[in-house]
Amino acid sequence: GAVVSQHPSRVICKSGTSVKIECRSLDFQATTMFWYRQFPKQSLMLMATSNEGSKATYEQGVEKDKFLINHASLTLSTLTVTSAHPEDSSFYICSARPGTEETQYFGPGTRLLVL
Amino acid sequence: GENVEQHPSTLSVQEGDSAVIKCTYSDSASNYFPWYKQELGKRPQLIIDIRSNVGEKKDQRIAVTLNKTAKHFSLHITETQPEDSAVYFCAARVGTNAGKSTFGDGTTLTVKP
Repeated sequence: GAVVSQHPSRVICKSGTSVKIECRSLDFQATTMFWYRQFPKQSLMLMATSNEGSKATYEQGVEKDKFLINHASLTLSTLTVTSAHPEDSSFYICSARPGTEETQYFGPGTRLLVL
Repeated sequence: GENVEQHPSTLSVQEGDSAVIKCTYSDSASNYFPWYKQELGKRPQLIIDIRSNVGEKKDQRIAVTLNKTAKHFSLHITETQPEDSAVYFCAARVGTNAGKSTFGDGTTLTVKP
């Protein structure tokens, strides 16, 4: 149980385009989902916390207009990187927390490369 | 906000030896402390966690200890094996299940056969 999927696993796009990443909890309802960015050999940098049906809470320094987060249902959250630039290239990982647990379960991540 | 420091950043041990990774946190209200293992190219996975009302927890070769007074907690891996090689992250969370966790910077553990 407690499986989180993420799609796509890898995406290459041109500078200026927008990219949408989906995070799904497959066998549980996730009241809270988190989006992280991870640079090579570095830690998980929390970008935002999203709760179903409400606006996401962004961490300091994260542009909410650039990284649009939607948590429309208890099993799906999306991250849209708008007008992507090469510096947005990174590994993006989501995690989801069941409402009844303290543990968060991570997705497999999405490798974004902006040319 | 919460600040979590993790040491060492890299750790190399011989197979069969023990490995210890330490973390300190700043917010005394933190009440949940998970540890994650991330193998190369894979997602972080929870390996053990501890709550603030417990001082120690053990699961086979892995144990975690918590010192609330000193605000630090540690991961202990005994009888290390090459498959234990990975990046380990500690985290601390304040408050309820809806709260966010703050992660340490990670420790790259290498177990030499």
